[in-house]
Amino acid sequence: EPEVTQTPSHQVTQMGQEVILRCVPISNHLYFYWYRQILGQKVEFLVSFYNNEISEKSEIFDDQFSVERPDGSNFTLKIRSTKLEDSAMYFCASSASTSGPNTGELFFGEGSRLTVL
Amino acid sequence: GNSVTQMEGPVTLSEEAFLTINCTYTATGYPSLFWYVQYPGEGLQLLLKATKADDKGSNKGFEATYRKETTSFHLEKGSVQVSDSAVYFCALRRNTGNQFYFGTGTSLTVIP
Repeated sequence: EPEVTQTPSHQVTQMGQEVILRCVPISNHLYFYWYRQILGQKVEFLVSFYNNEISEKSEIFDDQFSVERPDGSNFTLKIRSTKLEDSAMYFCASSASTSGPNTGELFFGEGSRLTVL
Repeated sequence: GNSVTQMEGPVTLSEEAFLTINCTYTATGYPSLFWYVQYPGEGLQLLLKATKADDKGSNKGFEATYRKETTSFHLEKGSVQVSDSAVYFCALRRNTGNQFYFGTGTSLTVIP
């Protein structure tokens, strides 16, 4: 069964360092997303990406964040200069479409846990 | 605004017990509603969904009915199994755009 894969599963970094989280969405999907969950809090939307550009982003997704689809398979989230409060589980997701019989179904990866020290 | 509130956990039940996990929402317009489940060491997986009022989503013995009058989408199962131990997330998607809004998740542990 096709799945979304994420790497690394866990990354520990020092405050101020750059971090890149990687995702391989399901191959025929067109919409890509990043969500995060700070421990004990809600899963929060960061950004959605379609047709090689950001289609929607939340207020969390400030200038420290960027996303890229560098080739036909990878979808990355970069945090330029990490802060302590960036420590969270980051989930990548993809979907085939926002309409049709599978309207809105997101397929999630297992998550990348980021710990900023 | 849009938000989802679900009951706090953790929830511990004995096998074959009845499960209810409450979920209420606030939304503009007419959202679609979802329950996602996360088993240990895995990503979030769609459990069931409902796209309009009075729809009932069901899967693997779980059910939830979209109640517009009470803005609720409570998850129920008549007889839980140990294998149902997981974290359950209620979520909504607006009828425009791609953004999902999730609750905090409710951890369920089923003991034999």
